Amino acid sequence: EEQLVESGGGLVQPGGSLRLSCVASGFAFSTYWMHWVRQAPGKGLVWVSRINEDGSSTTYADSVKGQFTISRDNAKNTLYLQMNILRAEDTAIYYCARCSGWNCFDSWGQGTLVTVSS
Amino acid sequence: QSALTQPASVSGSPGQSITISCTGTSSDVGAYNYVSWYQQHPGKVPKLIISEVSNRPSGVFNRFSGSKSGSTASLTISGLQAEDEADYYCSSFTTSDTWVFGGGTKVTVL
Repeated sequence: EEQLVESGGGLVQPGGSLRLSCVASGFAFSTYWMHWVRQAPGKGLVWVSRINEDGSSTTYADSVKGQFTISRDNAKNTLYLQMNILRAEDTAIYYCARCSGWNCFDSWGQGTLVTVSS
Repeated sequence: QSALTQPASVSGSPGQSITISCTGTSSDVGAYNYVSWYQQHPGKVPKLIISEVSNRPSGVFNRFSGSKSGSTASLTISGLQAEDEADYYCSSFTTSDTWVFGGGTKVTVL
């Protein structure tokens, strides 16, 4: 069974950092582009970042550029999101999601909640 | 990277057809046929229901269909059922090598 499982969320103070992880199983992780998508409480979906199959190419939403870093470890079937200088507006459920070619986003994790508050 | 424009809400009676629009620009919806639609029930994970404008993944009911004209994509739900009550989002690849979502549409079955 194909599965994506996020972890690493929690409560962090403004200005703090957090690293999210997403472990993939049941499919050839190293052959897929992977993404992070977030959803603030009661709000809509917002695309955050994507990384290509071998990690050599990344893109970011303007709102997180220079603040977040996406990476992956294909040997561990794991996707990461390093989040720095966190602000209250970064509070959201963070989902990892997969694109199968242009079939985006065909698989989602259950999400991990990040709360930025003092 | 402005969000795609969707109506905040759409409603219909069981059995009716409804259409949700998703309006972008020549830099996203109008540039590529890489528009997808997602269904999200409260407290649940989004589910892909249409990809590449009009492709329905395996297991998605054929009452869901997608189309595109210029910079506006549309999702039509035919034969509306109670279980279709959910939030619906569109997304598109953009000329900046990024993705963008619509603001979401709440579908209510009367």
